[in-house]
Amino acid sequence: TQLLEQSPQFLSIQEGENLTVYCNSSSVFSSLQWYRQEPGEGPVLLVTVVTGGEVKKLKRLTFQFGDARKDSSLHITAAQPGDTGLYLCAGSPGDMRFGAGTRLTVKP
Amino acid sequence: GAVVSQHPSWVICKSGTSVKIECRSLDFQATTMFWYRQFPKQSLMLMATSNEGSKATYEQGVEKDKFLINHASLTLSTLTVTSAHPEDSSFYICSARDSGGLNEQFFGPGTRLTVL
Repeated sequence: TQLLEQSPQFLSIQEGENLTVYCNSSSVFSSLQWYRQEPGEGPVLLVTVVTGGEVKKLKRLTFQFGDARKDSSLHITAAQPGDTGLYLCAGSPGDMRFGAGTRLTVKP
Repeated sequence: GAVVSQHPSWVICKSGTSVKIECRSLDFQATTMFWYRQFPKQSLMLMATSNEGSKATYEQGVEKDKFLINHASLTLSTLTVTSAHPEDSSFYICSARDSGGLNEQFFGPGTRLTVL
């Protein structure tokens, strides 16, 4: 069973600040997905990264897949209250067990 | 993107009754679906992995006789909470893995179960 660890577990910042969230594992993945979940809803897929070293941008969100395809990071620039939520990563192939995730709160 | 639906979105039932939750992949086929439950302020806890045409694989500590899973087709999996009790009240979320392409997993919107 591979274990995906995310850090930090909790993050509370002011609107306009930048932040980085990490997803680490000892296993190699073919691909890795990032999700965001808002209260009372299911997680929504933000991005899938496939190639080692790959960088994908989604507006103010920048996702990077590690060269060895074992880890990933999510960087948010100029965070907004709408970015508040639980961020989860999942690797494929994998058993789809999630860790605690990163609970982000962006205060106006 | 791929869409997964859940029905119902919320349900209130009396203690001792059974509740069925449906999970459908609307525009793709899903050989594998997953069921999670989530308590307030916590992450998703995997309950079971559902494979089309075969028995579900349950996580340790999850009672298979209480949480019945049926995955009879490539687009539908159901979770039945039998003889529900107040402690079963939770947010239940399903996901479906798109067998083609990148094996991405797509989540349903969740079902809020309240057992009185």
